[in-house]
Amino acid sequence: QSALTQPPSTSGTSGQRVTISCSGSSSNIGNNRVNWYQQFPGTAPKLVIYSDDQRPSGVPDRFSGSKSDTSASLAISGLQSEDEADYYCETWDDNLNGPVFGTGTEVTVL
Amino acid sequence: QVQLQESGPGLVKPSETLSLTCTVSGTSITSGDSYWTWIRQPPGKGLEWIGFIYQSGSKYYNPSLKGRGSISVDTSKNQFSLSLTSVTAADTAVYYCARAYRDRHPYSDYWGQGILVTVSS
Repeated sequence: QSALTQPPSTSGTSGQRVTISCSGSSSNIGNNRVNWYQQFPGTAPKLVIYSDDQRPSGVPDRFSGSKSDTSASLAISGLQSEDEADYYCETWDDNLNGPVFGTGTEVTVL
Repeated sequence: QVQLQESGPGLVKPSETLSLTCTVSGTSITSGDSYWTWIRQPPGKGLEWIGFIYQSGSKYYNPSLKGRGSISVDTSKNQFSLSLTSVTAADTAVYYCARAYRDRHPYSDYWGQGILVTVSS
């Protein structure tokens, strides 16, 4: 089983909108919902989006998620310096019978 | 508030067994709505699912471990544990325990802080 594919990095200026893509297959994203995690250096991942587009309590509404076919996206609107982190997508893989993560994307605020 | 805390040795010799424990507070480990999960992250790399156990005692493991992994539960201590045999340098990683909400589409909403385990002689 392979990891889901994400771009290694993306960047934007404060206030800008950035999007992170996550590409999979019919056995994972195509048949299951996608979650997104934010991770700062030296800390555990934190759930920011679940079930494609749901925000946990306390996550700012500038974070949004979407999915189409075998791809998903995380958008950060009104980018802020505190959003500078690594982001990972995750979904269930029917062949693995367990979760599979994306390769991770580093977001830099210029 | 659900909290998880990993514990165990930070250094393991090659070919030996890595053993970690996750202590859960704020909820019962017998809860039917949870997958008790282990995830690892090699230094500078991405996240990898190791396996999970849930209420019925059912266990699932990542095939990439090639049968080396085992997860168990101690309900009296509200803990679950990971054993990984025949470790090599490739098993050096930060190991996280997590609670995945057991839904048709699970997601990990609570994580431990992680513990770095280095495999070296």
